[in-house]
Amino acid sequence: RKEVEQDPGPFNVPEGATVAFNCTYSNSASQSFFWYRQDCRKEPKLLMSVYSSGNEDGRFTAQLNRASQYISLLIRDSKLSDSATYLCVVNDMVLGNEKLTFGTGTRLTIIP
Amino acid sequence: DAGITQSPRHKVTETGTPVTLRCHQTENHRYMYWYRQDPGHGLRLIHYSYGVKDTDKGEVSDGYSVSRSKTEDFLLTLESATSSQTSVYFCAISPASYEQYFGPGTRLTVT
Repeated sequence: RKEVEQDPGPFNVPEGATVAFNCTYSNSASQSFFWYRQDCRKEPKLLMSVYSSGNEDGRFTAQLNRASQYISLLIRDSKLSDSATYLCVVNDMVLGNEKLTFGTGTRLTIIP
Repeated sequence: DAGITQSPRHKVTETGTPVTLRCHQTENHRYMYWYRQDPGHGLRLIHYSYGVKDTDKGEVSDGYSVSRSKTEDFLLTLESATSSQTSVYFCAISPASYEQYFGPGTRLTVT
């Protein structure tokens, strides 16, 4: 089983729609969680951290369910500029140092 | 944007040659990382550094070595490049080993 699993997509969604991605992780001791965004042929960029109580940043909402070990990202009122690959990232402590484990990403295309 | 650059941005090299990639930061962050990204695998950690001269292996370290003689520079060396090392290489930095900020990447092709 992969440490971090995501549906690879692609998700093709009309502009203005709401889209949600889920991600599951295998290590129940994982400490922190993030969503990164990666545009084609570019570097990953931090989109938002995911907190236990859930958090919102404009049109983006992230949720964490520790009991079921999954993380979600909701995008409302999607824009053409939201087209990208979204990476789910989990932070674990390994030998005293923190280590990020990346999912393979979910590809999103917003259709005009 | 975090002050992080990578050089070269693109490189084509032949099998068996040594290759060194450079990561340079202006943020004075303690932690630096080298990843490779391949289709179907996501980002995989090669090596990381938690201070000058302090480095450790990641999950795919075979065939790679690193050095960090200054806070701002982290070098990745492919000792004898193989075709399986054709990839996109990303450097990342972090002030405290959680949120990481990535450089623009180096596209390496080994022929």
